[in-house]
Amino acid sequence: AQTVTQSQPEMSVQEAETVTLSCTYDTSESNYYLFWYKQPPSRQMILVIRQEAYKQQNATENRFSVNFQKAAKSFSLKISDSQLGDTAMYFCAFVSGNTPLVFGKGTRLSVIA
Amino acid sequence: DAEITQSPRHKITETGRQVTLACHQTWNHNNMFWYRQDLGHGLRLIHYSYGVQDTNKGEVSDGYSVSRSNTEDLPLTLESAASSQTSVYFCASSEVASDTQYFGPGTRLTVL
Repeated sequence: AQTVTQSQPEMSVQEAETVTLSCTYDTSESNYYLFWYKQPPSRQMILVIRQEAYKQQNATENRFSVNFQKAAKSFSLKISDSQLGDTAMYFCAFVSGNTPLVFGKGTRLSVIA
Repeated sequence: DAEITQSPRHKITETGRQVTLACHQTWNHNNMFWYRQDLGHGLRLIHYSYGVQDTNKGEVSDGYSVSRSNTEDLPLTLESAASSQTSVYFCASSEVASDTQYFGPGTRLTVL
């Protein structure tokens, strides 16, 4: 079974600084998709970024980018120029084939003014 | 705009009562999912459906049931609510299993 591990339960970063959230996963599949979701205090789950495993280029969405290392099964999220509105829980997730999404347990990020 | 809604947003019930949480999506997605979120556990899959009349058990399905009679709705039923089912429940949908899932706003359920 696929598993997703987020080893940092909590992190903090100063406003305007850069922070990297870690995620590793375990799978024997060669084709899959990886996601980062953000859950602010409002509780709404919001897609941050999506990466297809067959694409070598790392996905980027404005201040959010990933470092996808397929051989190492690593999928970290980098947030540049952190803003107070980035304070949230961040979940890494994995899906392959026709199986449902598998989530990590989350990293709570606090952006400090 | 297409959306996914959940009702009620908050509910308090008593142990032993039957409770149904509604989920409705206007994306016309085939796939729908129910998760529960508890501190320290992230999101855990309860049940999911890949189309009308299709339902499947997830990681934590005991005590829960779903039925899919149309594309838009996947209600979640707690047959006999227990205090261990106090949680925040999220519904989600996607066009295909590998695609982005879109989440509802969540339902906070308290079982006393």
